[in-house]
Amino acid sequence: DAGVIQSPRHEVTEMGQEVTLRCKLISGHNSLFWYRQTMMRGLELLIYFNNNVPIDDSGMPEDRFSAKMPNASFSTLKIQPSEPRDSAVYFCASSFAEQAQFFGPGTRLTVL
Amino acid sequence: GENVGLHLPTLSVQEGDNSIINCAYSNSASDYFIWYKQESGKGPQFIIDIRSNMDKRQGQRVTVLLNKTVKHLSLQIAATQPGDSAVYFCAENIDDYKLSFGAGTTVTVRA
Repeated sequence: DAGVIQSPRHEVTEMGQEVTLRCKLISGHNSLFWYRQTMMRGLELLIYFNNNVPIDDSGMPEDRFSAKMPNASFSTLKIQPSEPRDSAVYFCASSFAEQAQFFGPGTRLTVL
Repeated sequence: GENVGLHLPTLSVQEGDNSIINCAYSNSASDYFIWYKQESGKGPQFIIDIRSNMDKRQGQRVTVLLNKTVKHLSLQIAATQPGDSAVYFCAENIDDYKLSFGAGTTVTVRA
């Protein structure tokens, strides 16, 4: 069975550019979570969706960040414009109901 | 090898020994707990979970213990192997689907 799929795995961009991260949920899962991981702050929940509906986006740093779920199996996280402080590893995770979250391999973002 | 408390983020253990990783959680209302393993360059990997109606659960070479009285969770790894070297996170559910993660414990297995 395929796990959570994320793309790209690595992204290097210049400050001010738009960045789009992509995530495909595990088939049958109905909850989707976007996290950011840094050495300083650890794992931070940015936003989560349940049945395609954003439930809690209180972790989204600012208006430069946006996330969508155009369908039940796919999500995007967009940063526009990107800044060097956005450099981090971004994970998405999926789960079914209140069961364990399963994480993707992450996207390592570097903003120069 | 054993660590105590969230303020000791590293654990060094001899290959073949048992490891004990401890975690103190904060929310007495949490009813679901998970241990994750994260290897360098990879995402957190589910190891084992436990619900609050249990105090012990066993998996393959791993056991999770839950003490709700003192809000303490531990992960025991039997016969630790080099492939067990990783950062281990405990997580508690804090609100419906949301998880709160601990700071993580880095486990290093000595050959």
